[in-house]
Order: sequence, then C-alpha cells, then structure tokens
Amino acid sequence: AQSVTQLDSHVSVSEGTPVLLRCNYSSSYSPSLFWYVQHPNKGLQLLLKYTSAATLVKGINGFEAEFKKSETSFHLTKPSAHMSDAAEYFCVVSVPGNQFYFGTGTSLTVIP
Amino acid sequence: DTAVSQTPKYLVTQMGNDKSIKCEQNLGHDTMYWYKQDSKKFLKIMFSYNNKELIINETVPNRFSPKSPDKAHLNLHINSLELGDSAVYFCASSHGRPGLARTEQYFGPGTRLTVT
Repeated sequence: AQSVTQLDSHVSVSEGTPVLLRCNYSSSYSPSLFWYVQHPNKGLQLLLKYTSAATLVKGINGFEAEFKKSETSFHLTKPSAHMSDAAEYFCVVSVPGNQFYFGTGTSLTVIP
Repeated sequence: DTAVSQTPKYLVTQMGNDKSIKCEQNLGHDTMYWYKQDSKKFLKIMFSYNNKELIINETVPNRFSPKSPDKAHLNLHINSLELGDSAVYFCASSHGRPGLARTEQYFGPGTRLTVT
C-alpha cells in the first residue's frame, strides 16, 4: 500500500531563516515523489520531483528536497525563507500503474 | 496560454440544483483528473480519465458524473447538489497513466463551489 505523511500541519519561520517541511512515505514499489505549493486561492504548482535519478532534487524558488530511501523521507528545505513562500505545501507519491497520493498539507507562515 | 483552465472560477447555487464544471488542457496530455479540496485543504481524487477511458473512479456519490468528450476536456456534472458538496474542485492533467511515466500533474486554478 502507498501512503504519504506530512509530519507538521503548520510551520512558522521568520523571514530569512531556513525552512524544513517534513514528508515520509510508504510504498511497496520504487516511488516518484513530488512537492507542490498552493498559494491562497490558487491552483497547485509543482516545486520539484524525484523520479529515481539524483537523490538531491533542486526545484523552483530555491527549494530542494532529498530522497532518503533508508528513512523513507523526502523533506523539503530552503535556506532562507521569503515572505512570498507563505503557502500550503503538499507532498505527493505515485507508483507505477497507480494514482497519485497526496499528503494532508503543511501550512507555512513566514513572519516578517 | 493557460495550460489547464476551468470554468467557472466561482459557482454559487442552491441545494437540489444541477451544475457543471468544465476543464480544458492545451498541454497535449492524455490523462485528466478531478480532485475535491475540502475546507481543511485535504485533496481527494475523484476521477481520472486516460484517452477518454475512465481509469480511476473513487468512492464518490453517483450524483457526480464525469464526461470526457476528447482527450483535452474533462467535465464534471453534479446532480441534486447538497451542502456537503461545497468545496474547491481542481482539474489536473498529466502525460501518461498515473505513475507509469513518472510524470507530474498540472493543475487548473480551481472552481470554488458554494451550495446554499
């Protein structure tokens, strides 16, 4: 069975400090993993994806994520938060022949 | 040059009415999806079509009926609307069946449905 767990429903950081959004997955097969961002009243936008190539994946807007098979994790990080990063973030897993599984989301607040 | 578009963006209607939401993608993708996002931001897959064939049909009331006239369009028709149907509905598309091509989804801007 496949599932994805986002360990924090809310994260608050100060502008200019690092961001860490945690995601753990469960999959019987070699998964593809994605992070999406949803700004208020907007659709979801792909930040980055892992598809069995390099384990450290760089995305847009300075975000990156590291696939750690031994820890079944795919945490999202950014060295320095910007006010425009305030949004909802979703971790997603997909496996061959199956659908996409979404985490419950992490709301990121950036404090000026 | 919008990739995935939905109409309408907002839909306010009364209980018992029938309404439709339209979705179009110009990415040349062959798979399209409908998701429901509730007030807690939880996203739930409803349906998915690949080349006009229904491939995912989650446990959704049969008042919801998807229709895919061609690969670029996936519409959602809802009969006898109920208060609990109030949510944001997202259309998405991808190239290839879910997971097969290790491909990502592209999402539309959403349709906010309010049932009064």
